[in-house]
Amino acid sequence: KAGVTQTPRYLIKTRGQQVTLSCSPISGHRSVSWYQQTPGQGLQFLFEYFSETQRNKGNFPGRFSGRQFSNSRSEMNVSTLELGDSALYLCASSLAQEGDYMQEDTQYFGPGTRLTVL
Amino acid sequence: AQTVTQSQPEMSVQEAETVTLSCTYDTSESDYYLFWYKQPPSRQMILVIRQEAYKQQNATENRFSVNFQKAAKSFSLKISDSQLGDAAMYFCALFGNEKLTFGTGTRLTIIP
Repeated sequence: KAGVTQTPRYLIKTRGQQVTLSCSPISGHRSVSWYQQTPGQGLQFLFEYFSETQRNKGNFPGRFSGRQFSNSRSEMNVSTLELGDSALYLCASSLAQEGDYMQEDTQYFGPGTRLTVL
Repeated sequence: AQTVTQSQPEMSVQEAETVTLSCTYDTSESDYYLFWYKQPPSRQMILVIRQEAYKQQNATENRFSVNFQKAAKSFSLKISDSQLGDAAMYFCALFGNEKLTFGTGTRLTIIP
């Protein structure tokens, strides 16, 4: 079974631009979570989607948004990029279950998208 | 708020020896899950081992095992017969309060 895939793998943008990152989960997985990894802040949870609905979100500004499609693929968008948005963005998928809250299920990560903001 | 603390930024071990990575956590949840993930230079985050807090038995996965001390809120990872391919950043993580929280990581170096 193919793993989680993320595109693009590398991205260079300038301040003020916007960017869209894509994540395709493992086949059959319905939950997709996004994380930001930086040397200073470590790994931080952005948000989680299940059945096209955001079930949970971390403490990030509204410039960070996401969505999930009916095939469980997810996109993350960052608008008005700032230098501090330079990071590795990781996507993870899990089988999850129905419910209005994020239940535990082991998360499997993609290779990440390295975003550099100049 | 839940927190995960890894107090060892770096560790090294001789090939074929055993090493233990430390992790402590804090949560107000009674039901939670603990994980160790490995992140090699490729940056791919790989699940190493998983522990359910309601299970007293320590999880084991081949050469990897944990020492889960719930009362002390401690969750250490033991790697036996260390191999060169074990070199990576190791992250301890806790799933509780509806989200996954990571520690700051321990960089493990394997000495040939």
